[in-house]
Amino acid sequence: DSGVTQTPKHLITATGQRVTLRCSPRSGDLSVYWYQQSLDQGLQFLIQYYNGEERAKGNILERFSAQQFPDLHSELNLSSLELGDSALYFCASSVLEGHNTGELFFGEGSRLTVL
Amino acid sequence: GENVEQHPSTLSVQEGDSAVIKCTYSDSASNYFPWYKQELGKRPQLIIDIRSNVGEKKDQRIAVTLNKTAKHFSLHITETQPEDSAVYFCAASSNYQLIWGAGTKLIIKP
Repeated sequence: DSGVTQTPKHLITATGQRVTLRCSPRSGDLSVYWYQQSLDQGLQFLIQYYNGEERAKGNILERFSAQQFPDLHSELNLSSLELGDSALYFCASSVLEGHNTGELFFGEGSRLTVL
Repeated sequence: GENVEQHPSTLSVQEGDSAVIKCTYSDSASNYFPWYKQELGKRPQLIIDIRSNVGEKKDQRIAVTLNKTAKHFSLHITETQPEDSAVYFCAASSNYQLIWGAGTKLIIKP
């Protein structure tokens, strides 16, 4: 158990819909990262928050948005869903601000299926 | 942009043999190089990392080597076991981000 909690574990929805994925970081971790992993693909970095503020942005579509709340949990919002958005979405957390400074602790992921 | 190339994409080795996965990076300022293991259906987990002031690091059957001049680093797994079967990802730091390799699927043949 990494200490990072993601909900829901599985989600099935239709094209055009909007979903929200939730992540609770490890206790004490200020950084939250979101990754997308399509079937048999690598890890695509989407976005990072540190202590409530956006720190780095990767290949995140305009249809996607995220935020980190004062209690440090984070939500990833995916709208106008397309079939290609079907993927495993991971949240990771770390205690430090930088992506390059130490271990990332990943949650179990939220598997999104768009029909 | 910054890039990390990882080879091979699939590696099949006999149980007990060694496995080597190689990564090259493009940002000469990169100073942190982690390796993550992802078992089927599971989350990625850090198995070893190395910083640019060190050339080699070992942890039991796993070792990582770094050649800053050539801008490449490698993961070495000795005496492979069935539980080593997984996808392995390398990454390199760049501008406060991690740039990830595409992954190597390691298959351990009995």
